[in-house]
Amino acid sequence: IAGITQAPTSQILAAGRRMTLRCTQDMRHNAMYWYRQDLGLGLRLIHYSNTAGTTGKGEVPDGYSVSRANTDDFPLTLASAVPSQTSVYFCASSPSGSGTDTQYFGPGTRLTVL
Amino acid sequence: GQNIDQPTEMTATEGAIVQINCTYQTSGFNGLFWYQQHAGEAPTFLSYNVLDGLEEKGRFSSFLSRSKGYSYLLLKELQMKDSASYLCASMDSNYQLIWGAGTKLIIKP
Repeated sequence: IAGITQAPTSQILAAGRRMTLRCTQDMRHNAMYWYRQDLGLGLRLIHYSNTAGTTGKGEVPDGYSVSRANTDDFPLTLASAVPSQTSVYFCASSPSGSGTDTQYFGPGTRLTVL
Repeated sequence: GQNIDQPTEMTATEGAIVQINCTYQTSGFNGLFWYQQHAGEAPTFLSYNVLDGLEEKGRFSSFLSRSKGYSYLLLKELQMKDSASYLCASMDSNYQLIWGAGTKLIIKP
């Protein structure tokens, strides 16, 4: 593994189903982030984690949950998917949870909720 | 409120110069980032400015004016591979990035 990986690459999901998007980094970065990207809108922060064991809410957290049991993994769960959660989801990481670090992005997961 | 404005789309010719503007208004300011995003791919870091002035990095330069809430990305000697979206993002007082919708740059031969 080099950098950040996300799985799955794409997924079609029925409304009401539960789904977990996976994100793993091997850079030993402290901070990790989940964004969604929708056409015509900027990236919007869903949840973040400044260090293992801590998480925080971003701009659009409703309908999503995260956990950070260790440094490397930061899964995003949709408890009961709705069509408005159709989007491209990017996981990112940065060396520290404070300061002006550069964020490095994973390849993204394209999610369609029908 | 927090807001980032940048043009939706720009067109330029191969070999030419293009300037992509960005105006920002955020709660606090800890720097301005530019990222490049090719279609279907992840954003990749281009530049970071926190002090006023021009930062040059090869064919790409980035400018910041904190008093005007304004930045631009300057791309010189355009190549076809520069066709991409360019994302402007301001870091607010909580060290969170506030993103613009991106400028799609189309390069014509």
